[in-house]
Amino acid sequence: GAVVSQHPSWVICKSGTSVKIECRSLDFQATTMFWYRQFPKQSLMLMATSNEGSKATYEQGVEKDKFLINHASLTLSTLTVTSAHPEDSSFYICSASKGTRDSATYEQYFGPGTRLTVT
Amino acid sequence: AQSVAQPEDQVNVAEGNPLTVKCTYSVSGNPYLFWYVQYPNRGLQFLLKYITGDNLVKGSYGFEAEFNKSQTSFHLKKPSALVSDSALYFCAVRPTFGRALTFGSGTRLQVQP
Repeated sequence: GAVVSQHPSWVICKSGTSVKIECRSLDFQATTMFWYRQFPKQSLMLMATSNEGSKATYEQGVEKDKFLINHASLTLSTLTVTSAHPEDSSFYICSASKGTRDSATYEQYFGPGTRLTVT
Repeated sequence: AQSVAQPEDQVNVAEGNPLTVKCTYSVSGNPYLFWYVQYPNRGLQFLLKYITGDNLVKGSYGFEAEFNKSQTSFHLKKPSALVSDSALYFCAVRPTFGRALTFGSGTRLQVQP
């Protein structure tokens, strides 16, 4: 199988604090990990793509200084929401890919998501 | 840039009846197409994908999808719906070269007993 976990599954924090979300590939090495954000009743919006050992590539409109992504190993990526505000409240979902670059059989395996509520 | 359209916000179907969830796409080159299902407060579960080959793709839980290149569509189907199929369904596309998935807006499927 290809299992991706996220921790925590939900978190409540106060405005101005920082929150770290972990994404782990449990039974495979993830060459690339992706972070998505999902607002209620809306689709997933790609925030950034991270390759192990290199800087993340952020989508247009995503503040890289606010959403810090670290992909330090082939099984772990972290998203840190810095100085969180209520508008950062959302469902954050990570996915991981074990395919080689541009592989035709490439597939993303999704984590269960993290619900962030900023009060 | 690629895009995905799911024209129906919600699809209602009676249990035991066939269901179709529509998806059309726009992408340069040959598309890689995916369907995912999401249950409340959960991540996405993979249902099926089209990469190449037979236009009719069979996936998990009895779902299938038909790739139609001329209509740029990839509709999700199931011959007999179950109440447990009620969930949010997302169609996604990836271009031949590139890794990022672009998702449709999602279609909520409600199966009534």
